[in-house]
Amino acid sequence: GAGVSQSPSNKVTEKGKDVELRCDPISGHTALYWYRQRLGQGLEFLIYFQGNSAPDKSGLPSDRFSAERTGESVSTLTIQRTQQEDSAVYLCASGGKGLKLFFGSGTQLSVL
Amino acid sequence: AQSVTQPDIHITVSEGASLELRCNYSYGATPYLFWYVQSPGQGLQLLLKYFSGDTLVQGIKGFEAEFKRSQSSFNLRKPSVHWSDAAEYFCAVGANTGNQFYFGTGTSLTVIP
Repeated sequence: GAGVSQSPSNKVTEKGKDVELRCDPISGHTALYWYRQRLGQGLEFLIYFQGNSAPDKSGLPSDRFSAERTGESVSTLTIQRTQQEDSAVYLCASGGKGLKLFFGSGTQLSVL
Repeated sequence: AQSVTQPDIHITVSEGASLELRCNYSYGATPYLFWYVQSPGQGLQLLLKYFSGDTLVQGIKGFEAEFKRSQSSFNLRKPSVHWSDAAEYFCAVGANTGNQFYFGTGTSLTVIP
């Protein structure tokens, strides 16, 4: 596709379950970011991938959060043993030259 | 510590009126500055960015922003607001390494007829 695609668009899960969120970046974009947006708050940086370099995981809030990306392709964000405070919109963005980010529409995660 | 502050949580303006959204940043190096817009149900879209040079930058949809180093500000302006401008606006600061962008908490814009 022409833009960044995220799936699912909505996810409702029970506390304690694991969830996996997917991001398809724009083809050719070497950079990929995950952000979390809680209701009424700004974007919180989670993790950054750049090509085949080691990812910058400095924003991951706990060891329940992990993300993978193979090369310059799809990325998955996994949250294990979800908690209610994990409820948020999870945004993925990919970037090419010029530090311009292209964002997906996000995954709305609701933990009951 | 790096941070971005958007002091106005919500702004309401009349259609056709001018608009200014405030953004202040704290950054240890020369900042790269951005404004993004998030329309309902859509992803964030880049409005404009400042890297260097002319401190007044033009963006899409008739927006402009001015970088003022002395005030650590990068305010977004538009001379005449359209109803379609109603959205959430985010200011962001980043480094040329591209490894992190710091976003403000956003300003919600309502446009009334």
